[in-house]
Amino acid sequence: DIQMTQSPSTLSASVGDRVTITCRASHSISSLLAWYQQKPGKAPNLLIFKASRLEIGVPSRFSGSGSGTEFTLTISSLQPDDFATYFCQQYNTHSPSFGGGTKVEIK
Amino acid sequence: EVQLVESGGALVQPGRSLRLSCAASGFSFDDYAMHWVRQVPGKGLEWVSGISWNSGDITYADSVKGRFTISRDSAKNSLYLEMNSLRAEDTALYYCAKDIKGFNGYVFNSWGQGTLVTVSS
Repeated sequence: DIQMTQSPSTLSASVGDRVTITCRASHSISSLLAWYQQKPGKAPNLLIFKASRLEIGVPSRFSGSGSGTEFTLTISSLQPDDFATYFCQQYNTHSPSFGGGTKVEIK
Repeated sequence: EVQLVESGGALVQPGRSLRLSCAASGFSFDDYAMHWVRQVPGKGLEWVSGISWNSGDITYADSVKGRFTISRDSAKNSLYLEMNSLRAEDTALYYCAKDIKGFNGYVFNSWGQGTLVTVSS
């Protein structure tokens, strides 16, 4: 099984900050990585797939990069609506797995 | 608008069975793979099972293989999860999720609101 490790687990930031979240895979997953945003009491929402492809309707301040085992999610200018938990997920195998999540909190 | 509405969650004793349902609307159900993903409240996400558009490809997480069965009914636009031999570690909020592909691509672009399964004596 492929293990996904996110860092940091919690991040404190202010509105307008540039925020970067890292996700590492235990084995190479090519570019088969997705990012989701989850707000309290809500289901996850797909932001990015194939490492860097923005889902329709997702603001352009979100971007993803990386391949192989190391990936990043960047929010170029943090907005009030972006305070949430973010999960990465690999889908390189028929046993997809998620990272442990990164909670983005208000500083 | 895509809508996925789960039902069937309950408090159940260890070793018993439960069947979850997911009613889909707002898209062509027959064209997409569907999945179950679970989450212990306040914790991470775990993919449980997936089924391709034509039920030809069915996959399970190792943690549920042999105990859970996924199925779909195109006439009812519904997805199901039959859960047998339930364990305390199966306690979670179970989400129904739509794939972006007809085969099991494992990218989930629509989710339901979840149904809570609690396994306890």
